Amino acid sequence: DTAVSQTPKYLVTQMGNDKSIKCEQNLGHDTMYWYKQDSKKFLKIMFSYNNKELIINETVPNRFSPKSPDKAHLNLHINSLELGDSAVYFCASSRWTSSYEQYFGPGTRLTVT
Amino acid sequence: DAKTTQPTSMDCAEGRAANLPCNHSTISGNEYVYWYRQIHSQGPQYIIHGLKNNETNEMASLIITEDRKSSTLILPHATLRDTAVYYCIASIAGSNDYKLSFGAGTTVTVRA
Repeated sequence: DTAVSQTPKYLVTQMGNDKSIKCEQNLGHDTMYWYKQDSKKFLKIMFSYNNKELIINETVPNRFSPKSPDKAHLNLHINSLELGDSAVYFCASSRWTSSYEQYFGPGTRLTVT
Repeated sequence: DAKTTQPTSMDCAEGRAANLPCNHSTISGNEYVYWYRQIHSQGPQYIIHGLKNNETNEMASLIITEDRKSSTLILPHATLRDTAVYYCIASIAGSNDYKLSFGAGTTVTVRA
């Protein structure tokens, strides 16, 4: 069983398009996250949600909008895609906001042309 | 969060212990040391964490110096599957805005 899953695994799209990445966790965790890993491999947190409530928003452009329909899902919608949005996006979850261990999904490689 | 410094890369031989150093000289008293690793094209994986005492689990051991300014992650018997980027992170846990800040990490290559 996959603990944290993301779809799609690869996403290629043109500038200006709107796209979504879905994330689901079956661990029963309360907290979910989105991270971005750029071409230089630095991994940075974007958002965290606890029980569908936004906890962390790390100065991410408004074009990025996370949506948590329930605590098992955290989707990332990106409007007006730009070349600089090309990266690998990782979803993660943890039991609660202060848990030591985060479980990461396999990543979604987004390429904007 | 305290800044951590790690070597850019290191090699180790399969079957031998791999000792990965990390400096965190500005760590505060309530910051834990966490280790994660990222195998190529996969999401990061939690390894271990500690505050003051040495810690061991099924994956690794964590040795923290008495002054807490540095630590060493030990993979007791490295295998080829341990080839990955290893991240040492110092962060406060136990708060609602606790977050992990990943640096560049150490690229560890285990050679047969």
